Amino acid sequence: DIVMTQSPDSLAVSLGERATINCKSSQSVLSSSNNKNYLAWYQQKPGQPPKLLILWASTRESGVPDRFSGSGSGTDFTLTISSLQAEDVAVYYCQQYYTTPYTFGQGTKLEIK
Amino acid sequence: EVQLVQSGAEVKKPGESLKISCKGSGYSFTNYWIGWVRQMPGKGLEWMGIIYPGDSDTRYSPSFQGQVTISADKSISTAYLQWSSLKASDTAMYYCARHTVASDAFDVWGQGTMVTVSS
Repeated sequence: DIVMTQSPDSLAVSLGERATINCKSSQSVLSSSNNKNYLAWYQQKPGQPPKLLILWASTRESGVPDRFSGSGSGTDFTLTISSLQAEDVAVYYCQQYYTTPYTFGQGTKLEIK
Repeated sequence: EVQLVQSGAEVKKPGESLKISCKGSGYSFTNYWIGWVRQMPGKGLEWMGIIYPGDSDTRYSPSFQGQVTISADKSISTAYLQWSSLKASDTAMYYCARHTVASDAFDVWGQGTMVTVSS
């Protein structure tokens, strides 16, 4: 299985400041056939199912605010929230869908400082 | 509106069997992979497996292979997750979710089914 490791486990950021979450995979999730990274980011608020934010490492899902961005390639990825809003308090997960089982990271809890 | 609606919360005893459901609507159910994700209390997301309702092709995580059965009835646009003998450690929220049209990320999620196993 590909192991996904996120850092940090928790993060406190002031409103309006930048939040950065990292995700590292134990093997590359970059396909040589189409040059795409098989990496997604999700947001989960308390009592709700996860919500897809980013796929292909950097493509925002429809309706996701542009303050959310994804970057990285191969084994190292980053989710950035450019200006933290109160409604962004949540747990964030990365997931690889390069090879089954499509494993998730352990999650990063984002709070307001 | 595209949605997945899951069956309600369950309280069971160890050793009992259980089948929970996930009904899709608003899209062509047979053309999208459906997956199941476990979330134990206070913990993260675990990918259990996926099924393609069109032909019932199924893939399991090794962690869940033999522990659960994933199935689908395309005639009623419903996917299932079942256990033959529940354990206390199966206590969790279970989500179904749909792959996107062009990737294996999950873009539509059910509301979740809480399964509690206790004697």
